[in-house]
Amino acid sequence: EAGVAQSPRYKIIEKRQSVAFWCNPISGHATLYWYQQILGQGPKLLIQFQNNGVVDDSQLPKDRFSAERLKGVDSTLKIQPAKLEDSAVYLCASSPPYSWTQYFGPGTRLLVL
Amino acid sequence: AQSVTQLGSHVSVSEGALVLLRCNYSSSVPPYLFWYVQYPNQGLQLLLKYTSAATLVKGINGFEAEFKKSETSFHLTKPSAHMSDAAEYFCAAITSQGGSEKLVFGKGTKLTVNP
Repeated sequence: EAGVAQSPRYKIIEKRQSVAFWCNPISGHATLYWYQQILGQGPKLLIQFQNNGVVDDSQLPKDRFSAERLKGVDSTLKIQPAKLEDSAVYLCASSPPYSWTQYFGPGTRLLVL
Repeated sequence: AQSVTQLGSHVSVSEGALVLLRCNYSSSVPPYLFWYVQYPNQGLQLLLKYTSAATLVKGINGFEAEFKKSETSFHLTKPSAHMSDAAEYFCAAITSQGGSEKLVFGKGTKLTVNP
């Protein structure tokens, strides 16, 4: 069974530029999550989708971050414009129906200069 | 709201020694608890989970954890450390906030295994 796929793995941009990350969850997993992991900290939930609907985006900085999951499968997370403090690893995870267990992708490491 | 505290941001053990990584949660209800491991430049991998069944949970790679309600703890142990266990370990719990359930992570414990 294929795991959660993410791309790109690494991205370096300058502040005020925009960037997008892509995630393809495990087949059959209706719930998809985006996390931000700052160096030295645990992951922090940014947004949770159930199929193509948003369940929780309370910690998403909506002035600069956006996310979509149009067909209920893969998802994109965008930052526009990026700030220095956005430097982090962005993790995507998915979970099967009726389960609290989340399966994580390899992450995208973002460096904002 | 649930919170998770991991005692010790860094733990160092010798190869073959006991590994003990501490995790305490705050909640008045039986929680769903998890341990994840993160190797350098990789995502998080599930080690084990507690979901109100047996209090002693066995996971992958020889790890296990014991749920102790009286101590609100879910410490991770392994009898004999291996060099390949060097990684960062995260304890996490399901919490209910604002009408939705989310996974809340501790700050992580970096395990170093010395030869």
